Amino acid sequence: DGGITQSPKYLFRKEGQNVTLSCEQNLNHDAMYWYRQDPGQGLRLIYYSQIVNDFQKGDIAEGYSVSREKKESFPLTVTSAQKNPTAFYLCASSMGGRSGGELFFGEGSRLTVL
Amino acid sequence: DAKTTQPPSMDCAEGRAANLPCNHSTISGNEYVYWYRQIHSQGPQYIIHGLKNNETNEMASLIITEDRKSSTLILPHATLRDTAVYYCIVQKLVFGQGTRLTINP
Repeated sequence: DGGITQSPKYLFRKEGQNVTLSCEQNLNHDAMYWYRQDPGQGLRLIYYSQIVNDFQKGDIAEGYSVSREKKESFPLTVTSAQKNPTAFYLCASSMGGRSGGELFFGEGSRLTVL
Repeated sequence: DAKTTQPPSMDCAEGRAANLPCNHSTISGNEYVYWYRQIHSQGPQYIIHGLKNNETNEMASLIITEDRKSSTLILPHATLRDTAVYYCIVQKLVFGQGTRLTINP
């Protein structure tokens, strides 16, 4: 079945460690996105990519990094520079373009920093 | 960037129509209005979208005002499973806080 897969679902990290969250899609979508969600809040954009080998910062990119070496994959690294990394992270994809269809979301990855 | 304004919470009785409003007064002429919903601790789910005309699908109806500055999502016969946070967005990059809809038995 076509879809978007995030892993791991739950992740625990010690302070000072980098951690990478995986996001894979088999929908042949050009655009991919990473959002962060804190308890009781809406989604905030971290990074997005509209095409392979290109990506742009969102509203809260500091302390995060991404890569887009393949169309299907858009991993997010939460670095030790991110001051409050504990959150729910959501990856999404879409066909692309300014009104290129709806967003398809993964089930999310919940990161807890101990 | 165009942003949206939604009431933080609403209640609706089971079986009745739930009407969720959204203001998007700075929407551009070529921007679509999208609605999503998020059940606790899951990824948001697409519901419906529109540009100028009213739209209907198996989940909901979308009414967009003629000036496109606001819209209403209608769930015609709300069930308990429709309890969720509903987001109205006018471009993919900006999500507001949404409306927490509670369906009461």
